[in-house]
Amino acid sequence: AQSVTQPDIHITVSEGASLELRCNYSYGATPYLFWYVQSPGQGLQLLLKYFSGDTLVQGIKGFEAEFKRSQSSFNLRKPSVHWSDAAEYFCAVAPREAGTALIFGKGTTLSVSS
Amino acid sequence: GAGVSQSPSNKVTEKGKDVELRCDPISGHTALYWYRQSLGQGLEFLIYFQGNSAPDKSGLPSDRFSAERTGGSVSTLTIQRTQQEDSAVYLCASSYQGSGNSPLHFGNGTRLTVT
Repeated sequence: AQSVTQPDIHITVSEGASLELRCNYSYGATPYLFWYVQSPGQGLQLLLKYFSGDTLVQGIKGFEAEFKRSQSSFNLRKPSVHWSDAAEYFCAVAPREAGTALIFGKGTTLSVSS
Repeated sequence: GAGVSQSPSNKVTEKGKDVELRCDPISGHTALYWYRQSLGQGLEFLIYFQGNSAPDKSGLPSDRFSAERTGGSVSTLTIQRTQQEDSAVYLCASSYQGSGNSPLHFGNGTRLTVT
């Protein structure tokens, strides 16, 4: 069965420092890949997605993610974190077959220290 | 409205009572999803609708949970004989096509507390 693993439950980063959030998936074929963010008291917002082509994808708020087929990974990065980036981040995968739902990881909570 | 709307935003109920949670998807979105978010558990898939039919209801945790969708629009998630472990935030999402490359748009959720 497909699964998504986010190894880090909680990460603290200093403001201005770089960030990398890890995501690994288990699936027979390359799925569609997503990162969502959930800020406190708010709904989930799509940060970026990978469908095909260039393995480095750019998203909103200065985030990017790199798909590495050999590692079954889709790690999220940001060069310089802002205090407003403190939130919970979810990696998700969707099989390429129609009619199947998005599977989410358990999330990584990001805290930003000043 | 422009986004996915869920009601109520908060619901407190006594153990054993039934509850209904409502979701209004974005107009024109054919696919609708229900997820449950519990502390430390991420988002747990419950059920997916394409139009009014549910091709995947594999995530419903027990037969106390059911959902329906009418007119290809509004969906209701019903939990019968609620238990304390049902306490969670229930999230609804919709997408244009229901294929994997059609991003989901989420509502703000219904926070359910079973006392």
